[in-house]
Amino acid sequence: GAVVSQHPSRVICKSGTSVKIECRSLDFQATTMFWYRQFPKQSLMLMATSNEGSKATYEQGVEKDKFLINHASLTLSTLTVTSAHPEDSSFYICSARGESGLDTQYFGPGTRLTVL
Amino acid sequence: AQSVTQPDIHITVSEGASLELRCNYSYGATPYLFWYVQSPGQGLQLLLKYFSGDTLVQGIKGFEAEFKRSQSSFNLRKPSVHWSDAAEYFCAVGAGTYKYIFGTGTRLKVLA
Repeated sequence: GAVVSQHPSRVICKSGTSVKIECRSLDFQATTMFWYRQFPKQSLMLMATSNEGSKATYEQGVEKDKFLINHASLTLSTLTVTSAHPEDSSFYICSARGESGLDTQYFGPGTRLTVL
Repeated sequence: AQSVTQPDIHITVSEGASLELRCNYSYGATPYLFWYVQSPGQGLQLLLKYFSGDTLVQGIKGFEAEFKRSQSSFNLRKPSVHWSDAAEYFCAVGAGTYKYIFGTGTRLKVLA
């Protein structure tokens, strides 16, 4: 149980385009989802926290207009990187917490974004 | 301030040897503590977690961790390492509002 998927696993796009990444909880309802960014050989940096049906809470220094997060259902959250630039290239990981998760986050497999 | 420290950036052990990965935290309240493992290009897999109760926690893949409040530590151990254990290991503390604070990670290399 507690499986989280992400799609796509890898995406390459041109500078200036927008990219949408989906995060789904497959076998549980995720009341809260988190989006992280991970640079090579570094730890995870929390970008934002999203609760179903409400606006995401962004961490300090994360541009909310650049990284649009939607959590429209209890099993789906999306991250849209708008007007992507090469510096947005990174590994993006989502996680989900269920109602009875006792603060445990379950992580997706990640999405490798490369902006040319 | 809340923080998690993993003092060892890299650790190399021989297959079959024992392993201990260190994790120290700074947190005002009783922490929720986690260990995750990440293989290259993959997401994070939960190895074990501590919320309360018995301070020695058993996890998957033969891992265990011991919570020591007096030392603010939550070290991960395995008695006999397998080559497939080579990966990046992250310690995390639950920091309220369900957010985590992650350590910087320890990269484990296993020698055949």
